[in-house]
Amino acid sequence: EPEVTQTPSHQVTQMGQEVILRCVPISNHLYFYWYRQILGQKVEFLVSFYNNEISEKSEIFDDQFSVERPDGSNFTLKIRSTKLEDSAMYFCASSERQGNTNEKLFFGSGTQLSVL
Amino acid sequence: AQSVTQLGSHVSVSEGALVLLRCNYSSSVPPYLFWYVQYPNQGLQLLLKYTSAATLVKGINGFEAEFKKSETSFHLTKPSAHMSDAAEYFCAVSGVGYQKVTFGTGTKLQVIP
Repeated sequence: EPEVTQTPSHQVTQMGQEVILRCVPISNHLYFYWYRQILGQKVEFLVSFYNNEISEKSEIFDDQFSVERPDGSNFTLKIRSTKLEDSAMYFCASSERQGNTNEKLFFGSGTQLSVL
Repeated sequence: AQSVTQLGSHVSVSEGALVLLRCNYSSSVPPYLFWYVQYPNQGLQLLLKYTSAATLVKGINGFEAEFKKSETSFHLTKPSAHMSDAAEYFCAVSGVGYQKVTFGTGTKLQVIP
């Protein structure tokens, strides 16, 4: 089965530093997503991306966050100035289409971000 | 607005016993409902989904779930637990499409030999 690939698997950074989390969605997919899971809490939606623009974002996704599809294969999440509370597992996901009852959302294995 | 509530953050069953993981949903529109599984150090994997077709949904690895509108429930079951079923299970809900999926807090399933 095709996979969504995320790198790195673990990222440690100092508070205030910028981090970029990288994802390679499945090649024929058109819709891309970031979710995060703070330890012991729910998996939370951050943002969805289609046709090179954000299609929906949550209240968590403030000005410190940005997403980009720089080269047609990678899908990145940037946090400009990390805070302690940004420590979480970040999941990338992709789907081929949206609104189709047979559609399936594929998740990557996650990047564990630790902000010190 | 949509949400799901998973009853029980930890569930333990004996190998061969029935698995029952509970999920109740709240949705202002007809929901799509999902169960995902997360094995240690792995991503989220879709087990099954309900999208307004048959109310009894069969998924992978012998799991199934029944959509009960009157009870606003979507409980996950498996007749006989296997050691490999030990994982964390997440119930989730969305509206039409997959734009935004809202997850529950998860239930960790332990299978005792």
